[in-house]
Amino acid sequence: DIQMTQSPSSLSASVGDRVTITCQASQDISNYLNWYQQKPGKAPKLLIYDASNLETGVPSRFSGSGSGTDFTFTISSLQPEDIATYYCQQYDNPSLTFGGGTKVEIK
Amino acid sequence: EVQLVESGGGLVQPGRSLRLSCAASGFTFDDYAMHWVRQAPGKGLEWVSGISWNSGSIGYADSVKGRFTISRDNAKNSLYLQMNSLRAEDTALYYCAKDKDDYVWGRYFQHWGQGTLVTVSS
Repeated sequence: DIQMTQSPSSLSASVGDRVTITCQASQDISNYLNWYQQKPGKAPKLLIYDASNLETGVPSRFSGSGSGTDFTFTISSLQPEDIATYYCQQYDNPSLTFGGGTKVEIK
Repeated sequence: EVQLVESGGGLVQPGRSLRLSCAASGFTFDDYAMHWVRQAPGKGLEWVSGISWNSGSIGYADSVKGRFTISRDNAKNSLYLQMNSLRAEDTALYYCAKDKDDYVWGRYFQHWGQGTLVTVSS
């Protein structure tokens, strides 16, 4: 199975900061990469699909980039409501796998 | 509005079986692949299984292959997960998730239910 290595595992930033999370695949997955946000006690929410496409209704401060094995998720200006854990997920079948998650907190 | 409501979770002894259900509404159920995703307490997300619109393509995580069986009934707008030979490490919140489209057994988890908790313990 393809392994997804996400970093950092946690971060603390101030409101308005630019936040960047990386995800590395153990082999080339083209752009088969999605990003999710999970707030405490809630189900995850799809934010970015196919590495860089913003899901409908998701604020434009969220973005994604990358292809092959290296991917980046960015929050351009961190807001208090962005406190959550973020996960990358690859879909280079046969198996779908998630990264370990990045917990984002406000400093 | 898309709604996914899971049921069937509970406390079960190791080695026993459990069947989860997911009732879907608010969309054309047989247009989409569907999934089960789980999350152990305090841990990350793990895809369990996915199924195409017509049940023609099915995939499983290695951790459940041979023990779990996914199925769907499009006439009833329902998704199921039959879990056999349960282990302590299967303890988790099990989410039902709708895909964005229908490609093999799916690629995206676009909409999620609130989950049903399965606890495997003696």
